[in-house]
Amino acid sequence: NAGVTQTPKFQVLKTGQSMTLQCAQDMNHNSMYWYRQDPGMGLRLIYYSASEGTTDKGEVPNGYNVSRLNKREFSLRLESAAPSQTSVYFCASNTAASNTGELFFGEGSRLTVL
Amino acid sequence: GNSVTQMEGPVTLSEEAFLTINCTYTATGYPSLFWYVQYPGEGLQLLLKATKADDKGSNKGFEATYRKETTSFHLEKGSVQVSDSAVYFCALRDSSYKLIFGSGTRLLVRP
Repeated sequence: NAGVTQTPKFQVLKTGQSMTLQCAQDMNHNSMYWYRQDPGMGLRLIYYSASEGTTDKGEVPNGYNVSRLNKREFSLRLESAAPSQTSVYFCASNTAASNTGELFFGEGSRLTVL
Repeated sequence: GNSVTQMEGPVTLSEEAFLTINCTYTATGYPSLFWYVQYPGEGLQLLLKATKADDKGSNKGFEATYRKETTSFHLEKGSVQVSDSAVYFCALRDSSYKLIFGSGTRLLVRP
């Protein structure tokens, strides 16, 4: 059981470069999420997709774009990376946004922007 | 707006000690409350949850009670083990169904 899979696990970028973080889940979940984790600030929601074909902004969407490619995949793109985007990024999914059940998280992608 | 406040860490305990990690929240309505745990190098995992006032969530010896009168959801364990060393996050799910996390509390248990 793979669960939620994120790639890459580590990435170093220079300021201004672009990249895409990939996320895929094999649990047939409807809702998917992207969070960033910074020291002392917990996890903050960047974007989420309540269902295939929809995306919405979270708490900190500036500088990011997302694509819900299909039910399984939800990618996060940085068009022009900035040092402030150095963080650990987590993808998560659950059966439905309205479900009070658990979110399933990937192992994280550590991004450093120089 | 809705928010979650956790005690700052790190919390350092000896094995078999009693653990309390404080969590308070601010929210309109009746949010669901959660504790997630993050072991080193891994993503977050749900530890326990409570969906209404006075509910007690429990799992792996950990427990937390939803206290609406004090807007709290403190995490407790009677006897911690070295394997409990991790970062613990308190979270709430508000009426818009998004999870809002606290800043996390690192627990270090020494043998």
